[in-house]
Amino acid sequence: DTGVSQDPRHKITKRGQNVTFRCDPISEHNRLYWYRQTLGQGPEFLTYFQNEAQLEKSRLLSDRFSAERPKGSFSTLEIQRTEQGDSAMYLCASSPQAGGYTFGSGTRLTVV
Amino acid sequence: AQSVSQHNHHVILSEAASLELGCNYSYGGTVNLFWYVQYPGQHLQLLLKYFSGDPLVKGIKGFEAEFIKSKFSFNLRKPSVQWSDTAEYFCASNAPGTGGFKTIFGAGTRLFVKA
Repeated sequence: DTGVSQDPRHKITKRGQNVTFRCDPISEHNRLYWYRQTLGQGPEFLTYFQNEAQLEKSRLLSDRFSAERPKGSFSTLEIQRTEQGDSAMYLCASSPQAGGYTFGSGTRLTVV
Repeated sequence: AQSVSQHNHHVILSEAASLELGCNYSYGGTVNLFWYVQYPGQHLQLLLKYFSGDPLVKGIKGFEAEFIKSKFSFNLRKPSVQWSDTAEYFCASNAPGTGGFKTIFGAGTRLFVKA
């Protein structure tokens, strides 16, 4: 197992476009998390899944954001009608039932 | 609501100096506590974690942290830092009793170790 994989590593998009990120967690981990990190801040929680069920969403996650985890394996995070304020590093992490997270390398989004 | 605060945003030390990074959490119930490290150009990695038991937790690379419940603190320590410890360090907590393992992170402390 090579850990948590995120794709793409970098994404530059024009304001108003839609973007989708993918995360492949460690296969034995049933919990998957999305975080957002901006410069000088710690990761901010966005949402998490236990298997295929999305159990919690942050108020940071506006209606333009949606996340899925079909079949409880990989997950996608979509941002519609991107805004400049969406520019950030989007982090995915997975964990077993109890334990610390294993993070992916993140997807850096730049909205121009 | 949970929150985590880290006392210092930037710390500069010389090699062989001792390190202590402060962390306080706000949740009054049972908590799990973590320190994560992010080396330049790399992703976040778990340094150590506390769930229960001995409040002095030892992690990788000679780091340790002490859970002091009465002070709501979980400070990170290392007796003698090396240049390779230059990184950003994040304290984090989650509250298993709240029904999930959503982890709240502090804002981070950037450590620079001078060779």
